[in-house]
Amino acid sequence: AQKVTQAQTEISVVEKEDVTLDCVYETRDTTYYLFWYKQPPSGELVFLIRRNSFDEQNEISGRYSWNFQKSTSSFNFTITASQVVDSAVYFCALRGTGANNLFFGTGTRLTVIP
Amino acid sequence: DADVTQTPRNRITKTGKRIMLECSQTKGHDRMYWYRQDPGLGLRLIYYSFDVKDINKGEISDGYSVSRQAQAKFSLSLESAIPNQTALYFCATSTGPSFNEQFFGPGTRLTVL
Repeated sequence: AQKVTQAQTEISVVEKEDVTLDCVYETRDTTYYLFWYKQPPSGELVFLIRRNSFDEQNEISGRYSWNFQKSTSSFNFTITASQVVDSAVYFCALRGTGANNLFFGTGTRLTVIP
Repeated sequence: DADVTQTPRNRITKTGKRIMLECSQTKGHDRMYWYRQDPGLGLRLIYYSFDVKDINKGEISDGYSVSRQAQAKFSLSLESAIPNQTALYFCATSTGPSFNEQFFGPGTRLTVL
């Protein structure tokens, strides 16, 4: 079974604060793929990152960084120096070997207050 | 122009009506998907297609049907809409293999009264 848990339903931070969005996953597959998507208020889904299960190297892209830890089945997302434009719903998703779809978490709504 | 387009963007209909949502893509991807998003539930897969002759049910296919008219077009139909099909519907595309990221359309907000 594939499952993604995003325990934080809503988070509010003041602009320029750092914020971490948690993602915990469950899968029996030894090879799997993890994703993060952003859904801004306009509604579209924007792909942010894909991570393979055999590559635990953390990744940084500008103010965004991702911490993948297989030992705790987590793939957390940190935004450094948050900005109002970061306000959105963020989804973590999992795709196992042979799976034909993405399994999405329920999302975390991030509000950055100016 | 957007790579994945959906029409209509918003639709209000009545219970029992037949509705078709359309998706077109210019990305040249062979794989297409339909998801629905409900508040607090994330996205769930309805149907997917890996090529024109391939149609597969997803997690929540009951009450829906699809048609892959061409590589670039994938339509979702609600034969007899019911209020609990009120949701935000997304079309997505990807290339193979399966671990490639999916690219989503802008969504269609459907309300069934």
